[in-house]
Amino acid sequence: DAGVTQSPTHLIKTRGQQVTLRCSPKSGHDTVSWYQQALGQGPQFIFQYYEEEERQRGNFPDRFSGHQFPNYSSELNVNALLLGDSALYLCASSLGDRVHGYTFGSGTRLTVV
Amino acid sequence: TQLLEQSPQFLSIQEGENLTVYCNSSSVFSSLQWYRQEPGEGPVLLVTVVTGGEVKKLKRLTFQFGDARKDSSLHITAAQPGDTGLYLCAGSSGNTGKLIFGQGTTLQVKP
Repeated sequence: DAGVTQSPTHLIKTRGQQVTLRCSPKSGHDTVSWYQQALGQGPQFIFQYYEEEERQRGNFPDRFSGHQFPNYSSELNVNALLLGDSALYLCASSLGDRVHGYTFGSGTRLTVV
Repeated sequence: TQLLEQSPQFLSIQEGENLTVYCNSSSVFSSLQWYRQEPGEGPVLLVTVVTGGEVKKLKRLTFQFGDARKDSSLHITAAQPGDTGLYLCAGSSGNTGKLIFGQGTTLQVKP
């Protein structure tokens, strides 16, 4: 049973560039949430997608945007990258909004130079 | 703003010792989860507690949810090197689908 798949695993970008991260949810899950985890910190909620719409959003600027496709997979886009955007970006999938059933991917390590 | 504070932030102990990690908040949570994360991996769920005063055991790990549902603890008995990792608590309110994480406790168990 495939879990949550994220790509790429590592990425290096230059300040000011744009980046797209991808997530395929666990089979049977229809909701995708994105989290940012800075080094030495706990994950912070970015936003959640359900039925191809952003259902909730954390305290992140509009430079962070996302999308969910009909097959439930999701993308996270970050524009005008800043050095402070360097972090591990985690995708978590669930069925509906059931936080009890979260499954996390291994994340994408983004480094902005 | 809901916050979860974990303590200690770093713990280095010898194999066989016991330890407790604390997770505290001034806010009430409808449920609280504990995760373990290894380097280069995503968090893996250990347990979910939903009832105030609830105690759950997972082998040598004991989890407790405070009576007021504002705090939780994780106790490990006879720690082993395989317990090494980052332990995260995370709370949720209602059915928002959003988790509030603590900053984590890095545990190192030396053989």
